[in-house]
Amino acid sequence: NAGVTQTPKFQVLKTGQSMTLQCAQDMNHEYMSWYRQDPGMGLRLIHYSVGAGITDQGEVPNGYNVSRSTTEDFPLRLLSAAPSQTSVYFCASSYSAASGETQYFGPGTRLLVL
Amino acid sequence: KQEVTQIPAALSVPEGENLVLNCSFTDSAIYNLQWFRQDPGKGLTSLLLIQSSQREQTSGRLNASLDKSSGRSTLYIAASQPGDSATYLCAVTPGGSGGSNYKLTFGKGTLLTVNP
Repeated sequence: NAGVTQTPKFQVLKTGQSMTLQCAQDMNHEYMSWYRQDPGMGLRLIHYSVGAGITDQGEVPNGYNVSRSTTEDFPLRLLSAAPSQTSVYFCASSYSAASGETQYFGPGTRLLVL
Repeated sequence: KQEVTQIPAALSVPEGENLVLNCSFTDSAIYNLQWFRQDPGKGLTSLLLIQSSQREQTSGRLNASLDKSSGRSTLYIAASQPGDSATYLCAVTPGGSGGSNYKLTFGKGTLLTVNP
């Protein structure tokens, strides 16, 4: 198993540009989520999904859209990038959202918005 | 609002030393607490998960304890090695979320350096 994969690894955007951060998992996990990690802030939940066709907002959802058309993929879309979205983005998945399930994290996407 | 604090922010020890990392949380109504490891430029790796009804979990040289009533957890690393150098993060699942992994709240981490 490849586990949780994220692409791209690094991206530079100009303010106002749009892009999609890709996340895929091959473990047949139902639960997937997106976090951003900023210096001095820790990791914060952006959006999450408990299964195909179901998504919900986390702590910091503004400026981001998600969809879950398949179990394997959970892309994160920035419609109009802003410098405040400069961050490292992590995708995570687990078999379910039950409290005893371990979460598996991808390697991250480092995003710089100029 | 749940807040998670990790002390110290950074720790440097010689190889072979036993050490303790601390994590505290403000709302004791949690469902579980997890310890993660993050290597530079990498994602997070889950080390230990403690359910709210448990007091401790062990994996190899790692032992995590949980005192839910006082809002504290410790990660004990025995006989530290240079390969243990990484950032260690703790995260809690807040109570009221139906016993789920929704909305993990993370601490800012402890950067551990083990010197040969």
